[in-house]
Amino acid sequence: KQEVTQIPAALSVPEGENLVLNCSFTDSAIYNLQWFRQDPGKGLTSLLLIQSSQREQTSGRLNASLDKSSGRSTLYIAASQPGDSATYLCAVSFWAAGNKLTFGGGTRVLVKP
Amino acid sequence: EPEVTQTPSHQVTQMGQEVILRCVPISNHLYFYWYRQILGQKVEFLVSFYNNEISEKSEIFDDQFSVERPDGSNFTLKIRSTKLEDSAMYFCASSESLAKNIQYFGAGTRLSVL
Repeated sequence: KQEVTQIPAALSVPEGENLVLNCSFTDSAIYNLQWFRQDPGKGLTSLLLIQSSQREQTSGRLNASLDKSSGRSTLYIAASQPGDSATYLCAVSFWAAGNKLTFGGGTRVLVKP
Repeated sequence: EPEVTQTPSHQVTQMGQEVILRCVPISNHLYFYWYRQILGQKVEFLVSFYNNEISEKSEIFDDQFSVERPDGSNFTLKIRSTKLEDSAMYFCASSESLAKNIQYFGAGTRLSVL
C-alpha cells in the first residue's frame, strides 16, 4: 500500500531558526510531490510542487528537496517567522495511482516570537 | 489570483438527509477532485473527475456519493443519505492538466451530521 508519513507530528522553534520538515513515502515511483500549508479550520494552500525529474524547488524562503531513491522529501523554511505557524502537509502523486494525491498526516509548526 | 470556491462553508444536517456540496473550480482547469478530512485525521482522496466522467474513486466513495458537473462552472458532491461518520471537512480541488498537476484547493465545507 502506498503511504506517506510525516515525522514529527509537531515542532516548536524560536523565531529566526530554520525549519526542517520531513516527508517519507513508501513507493519511489512517483509522478510528483506537493507541499501544502493548512491554517486551523482552513483550506490547503499549495506551497511547492516537485516533479519526479527534479531534485529541488525553491520559492522565496522555502526550499523543497526530493530524493526518490530513499523515498524522502524535505521542506526547508529559512529564518522562520511567527506567521509561518501552521500545519504543513506533504502529498504524493504515485504513478500507479493516477493523479490523486496521497497525504501525510502533517507537521504542526509553532514559531515562537 | 484565480481560486477554487466552495459553498457553503459550513453545512449542518440531520442523519439520513441528502446534502449537496458545491464547488467552482478554476476556470481553465480540466481535472476536478473531492477530498475529505475527518477531524484529527489525514486528508483522504474521494474521487477525481475529467471529461464529464469519474476517472478514479476510492473505497470511501460508495453508492451514497455522486458527483456532477451540471454546467460549465460548478462541480458538486452529493451525499444521498448522510451518516454520522460523514462528518468531516470536504475539500474540492482542480488542476489544469496531468502534466501540470498542481492541485489547487478550496477553503473547504465543514459538514456536521447530527
